Amino acid sequence: SSELTQDPAVSVAVGQTVRITCQGDSLRNYHATWYHQRPGQAPILVLYGKSDRPSGIPDRFSGSTSGNTASLTIAGAQAEDEGDYYCGSRDSGANLGVFGTGTKVTVL
Amino acid sequence: QVQLQQWGAGLLEPSETLSLTCAVYGGSFGNNYWGWIRQPPGKALEWIGEINRSGITNQNPSLKGRVAILTDTSKSQFSLRLSSVTAADTAIYYCARAVWQRSPPNYFDYYMDVWGRGTTVTVPS
Repeated sequence: SSELTQDPAVSVAVGQTVRITCQGDSLRNYHATWYHQRPGQAPILVLYGKSDRPSGIPDRFSGSTSGNTASLTIAGAQAEDEGDYYCGSRDSGANLGVFGTGTKVTVL
Repeated sequence: QVQLQQWGAGLLEPSETLSLTCAVYGGSFGNNYWGWIRQPPGKALEWIGEINRSGITNQNPSLKGRVAILTDTSKSQFSLRLSSVTAADTAIYYCARAVWQRSPPNYFDYYMDVWGRGTTVTVPS
C-alpha cells in the first residue's frame, strides 16, 4: 500500500516539544521526508534521510523511524513552526512518490 | 542555488489539456528526477509524476494515463500535460526537484528539495 497516515492536527505551546507521526508500509524501505507548508506558500523540505536537515532549518527539528512509523519532533516549538506538515516517501512496488495525509500544527 | 520557475494557463474549460512548464535556474538537470505535485483546495499534496534527463518517466496511475511529462534539456525545462481535465483537477500545481538515492545499509531516500512557487489551475464544473 502506498498510503501514509498522519494525525490530522496537534497543538503545542511555545517552547514545548511536539511529535508528529507518519505511518505506512513504504517507511520500511524509505526514510520519511518531512515538509512544512505555511498558508499560501509552497512546501519546504525540513527533514530527509535518517534525520538530516537542509541548510537553514533549525536543529530543533529531528526525526526517527521505528518499523513502519516515522516521527518528526520539534523541540522548543516557535510561532513560525505553525502550519501543515506532510511526510513523504516512495512506494517501491508501484514506483511512485507518496505524501502523507498532513498534520496541522498550531503553536499556542 | 537551484531555483525553479513555473508557468502555464490558470483557467481551463472541461476536456481541455492542462499545460505547465518549469525552468531550472542555477543548476543542470544532473542525476535528479524532476517532478510535478498538486494540491486541491484544502487537501493534501498529491504526487503526479516525474522525469529524468534521459526522459524516463514515472506517473501516478490514479491519473489514468492522462499525464505526459516531457523534458527539454537544451533549455533546462520540463513540462506537464494533463489531458481531459475536469473540475477534480482544480489545484495548485508545483514543480520540484526530486532526489532519489540509496541510503546504506538498508534504506533509500526520496525527497523534493527544491520547489517552484506553484501555479493555480482552475477548471469550472
